[in-house]
Parts: sequence; structure tokens; C-alpha cells
Amino acid sequence: ETAVFQTPNYHVTQVGNEVSFNCKQTLGHDTMYWYKQDSKKLLKIMFSYNNKQLIVNETVPRRFSPQSSDKAHLNLRIKSVEPEDSAVYLCASSYRASQNTLYFGAGTRLSVL
Amino acid sequence: GDSVTQTEGPVTLSEGTSLTVNCSYETKQYPTLFWYVQYPGEGPQLLFKVPKANEKGSSRGFEATYNKEATSFHLQKASVQESDSAVYYCALSESSGSWQLIFGSGTQLTVMP
Repeated sequence: ETAVFQTPNYHVTQVGNEVSFNCKQTLGHDTMYWYKQDSKKLLKIMFSYNNKQLIVNETVPRRFSPQSSDKAHLNLRIKSVEPEDSAVYLCASSYRASQNTLYFGAGTRLSVL
Repeated sequence: GDSVTQTEGPVTLSEGTSLTVNCSYETKQYPTLFWYVQYPGEGPQLLFKVPKANEKGSSRGFEATYNKEATSFHLQKASVQESDSAVYYCALSESSGSWQLIFGSGTQLTVMP
């Protein structure tokens, strides 16, 4: 049963454009995450958002920014996309930051031409 | 820092054969260990987790034993099915309360009928 919803499923854009991805969880969890999955299936944490506290992976380029209106929503904006941003972006949630079982959405596949 | 190393893929097996995906970890803490599975078109989902050393986790015919002495958590299944075709991730989370889940690189499994 899906409880972490991501939109869109796919997005194709050109270098330099801005894109936004949406994520909503209906589990009542306190913590949400964005992961990047590359073509080799490597999973890399990008952001964690817990009770309005943002934890950033320091390797994430500044053109990426998370946006949260409440604990059930965590969006991702990319200003001026680059070819290396082509990947699957996975949203996840957990009951709280110290509770480490993650529930993932199906992902948004981004292709940058 | 913490790390997880697992069998490099891709792995291709025939239905009915046995599976072992090796997983080794490095950490100075006392981690909880996880196996996640990602089916095509979906996000990763928890297969099972084991919080204590020397205990075994299992689900859907898969099992793994938390071996603290060998720092290993190998995934096994006696007889794979075509529906087991997926990417398998080994992961760890420190018990000290760190929010971060450390994933291995993933192992792509394809089971041929």
C-alpha cells in the first residue's frame, strides 16, 4: 500500500531550466528525506527534514533546495539543472529521525537533455 | 566513517537455485542492519531489519544473520523465483541516534525462468 506519493513520475527538461518535484506522505511521520539514485542504482542522501530542522548533505550542490510547508510535505527544487542531475529522485519518510526504517515513494525520474 | 560493502552485480540466476548476496560493514558503533529490496518501477522497501548481534532476520524466504564478529550480514534464499528479480540493498544505522541510513551500492538480481 503506497503511503509516500511523488509527482511527477517522469520529467524531461533542458539544461538551465528550473524543476520542482513534490512529495507527500500520509503515514503521520515526523521526518522526510530526499535521496538521489543514479544510473548504477547508488543511493545518496540529499536532505533530511525533521520538525522544521533541515539537515543537508554537504556534497549537494547549492542549486538544489528542499521546501516544506508541513511535516507531511517535502518538495525539491532544482534551479538551473545540469546533465549530471539526470537521475531518479526518491522521497522517503520515517516515524522520527531516530527511527531508522524508511518508507520510500516510487520516485521521480529526471532526464536533462 | 561508516560503510557498507555488498556483492557487485548484476547477478543472474535460474529459478530454483540458491542466492547469497554478501554484505560487510564497518562502524565503531552498534548498528541496526537492514536489507531493502527495490522492484522495477518502485521505491526501495524494507525486507527486514535486525537490531541485535547474533540474531537472524527473515522475510519472504530471505534470511540474514547479524554476525558481529565477522561484521557481516549476508542475504540468503534457498530457492529463488522469477518474482525475486530486483535490486537488493544492505544498509546500517547507528544505534546512537544518528538519523542517517548508510546504504550499500545495491545488487541487481535477475532470475531467469
